[in-house]
Amino acid sequence: AQTVTQSQPEMSVQEAETVTLSCTYDTSESNYYLFWYKQPPSRQMILVIRQEAYKQQNATENRFSVNFQKAAKSFSLKISDSQLGDTAMYFCAFTPVNTGNQFYFGTGTSLTVIP
Amino acid sequence: DAGITQSPRHKVTETGTPVTLRCHQTENHRYMYWYRQDPGHGLRLIHYSYGVKDTDKGEVSDGYSVSRSKTEDFLLTLESATSSQTSVYFCAISEPMTGSDEQYFGPGTRLTVT
Repeated sequence: AQTVTQSQPEMSVQEAETVTLSCTYDTSESNYYLFWYKQPPSRQMILVIRQEAYKQQNATENRFSVNFQKAAKSFSLKISDSQLGDTAMYFCAFTPVNTGNQFYFGTGTSLTVIP
Repeated sequence: DAGITQSPRHKVTETGTPVTLRCHQTENHRYMYWYRQDPGHGLRLIHYSYGVKDTDKGEVSDGYSVSRSKTEDFLLTLESATSSQTSVYFCAISEPMTGSDEQYFGPGTRLTVT
């Protein structure tokens, strides 16, 4: 069974500070992809960052970076220089390669950026 | 933005009535998915399709059926809506042949069953 766990239901951070959102997953697959999606109040799901399990280098997208620890099955998201527009629900997701692209989502972390 | 629309965007219906939600894409992606989003549960897969007339069940398929007669349309039907099906429903698409496993999401449909 594939599971994704986000243990922080809510977090807050001061504007311009750095925050890290945690995610762990459980799978017996060796090849897979991991994602962080952002869902602002508009409800639209927006891809933030993507990591391929066979790549050891951590993915980075501007102010967003991940700490991918494959052995520990951990995939945390770091947001640097937090901005008010980062206020949103963040979902960690996992999909094994070549299994019909089924995504498994965590329960989400609600992040509030405080001015 | 990927061309994905969902209709209706909001719907209120009564228990026991049939409801059909529509997802329409203009990207020609093979895979289409229906999720429901509930507080404390994240997004859970209801059904998905990997081609015209090819569908399979997801994690929470009971009480739902789907159909895909054209590449661009994926319908989700609640044969007899129940209050437990009050939720926000998202459609998503993907095309692994593009080299990316990313799923692109529609804007969501808020369904309330009274």
